[in-house]
Amino acid sequence: AQSVAQPEDQVNVAEGNPLTVKCTYSVSGNPYLFWYVQYPNRGLQFLLKYITGDNLVKGSYGFEAEFNKSQTSFHLKKPSALVSDSALYFCAVRDIGYSSASKIIFGSGTRLSIRP
Amino acid sequence: EAQVTQNPRYLITVTGKKLTVTCSQNMNHEYMSWYRQDPGLGLRQIYYSMNVEVTDKGDVPEGYKVSRKEKRNFPLILESPSPNQTSLYFCASSSGQGEGTEAFFGQGTRLTVV
Repeated sequence: AQSVAQPEDQVNVAEGNPLTVKCTYSVSGNPYLFWYVQYPNRGLQFLLKYITGDNLVKGSYGFEAEFNKSQTSFHLKKPSALVSDSALYFCAVRDIGYSSASKIIFGSGTRLSIRP
Repeated sequence: EAQVTQNPRYLITVTGKKLTVTCSQNMNHEYMSWYRQDPGLGLRQIYYSMNVEVTDKGDVPEGYKVSRKEKRNFPLILESPSPNQTSLYFCASSSGQGEGTEAFFGQGTRLTVV
């Protein structure tokens, strides 16, 4: 079965410091990995994705994520956090089922809190 | 503007009273799905549709129905809502079944069943 785990419910970082939000995955084939962000009272917004190619993927709002196949991880990073980055972050993997239907499996989410 | 639109945004209803949450996308996407979001559980898929008149169950389909009569619309129907269906619901769409395509989400519908 394919799955994704976000081991931290909450991450607290001071503004200006680097941030990391962790994600590990389990898939049977090649992983297609995504990060989404959810601001209060809003839907999920796509941040970035890894399909193939460079292990370091750059996305919106200065975020990037590093794909590590040996550690089956896809951690989200940003060199310098902003208070406006405070939100709920979801890691996701695309699942290819036996029916050929494709769906996204989400982690449980990590709440990122940036203090001024 | 490309978007997924859900209505209503907020809904309080009583147990057993049928309700429909609408979802519409303007991107001509083939693939649409419904998720519910509960604290600590992330998003769980309820139903999905790969195209018009093609729907299938997700991980938590019990108590829900869907239909896909037009490509742009994918309503979620609760025939007899119960309190355990109190949740935050999201509709999403994406182009085709390509593994590399990201999903676009509606703003969510917060449903409370009393």
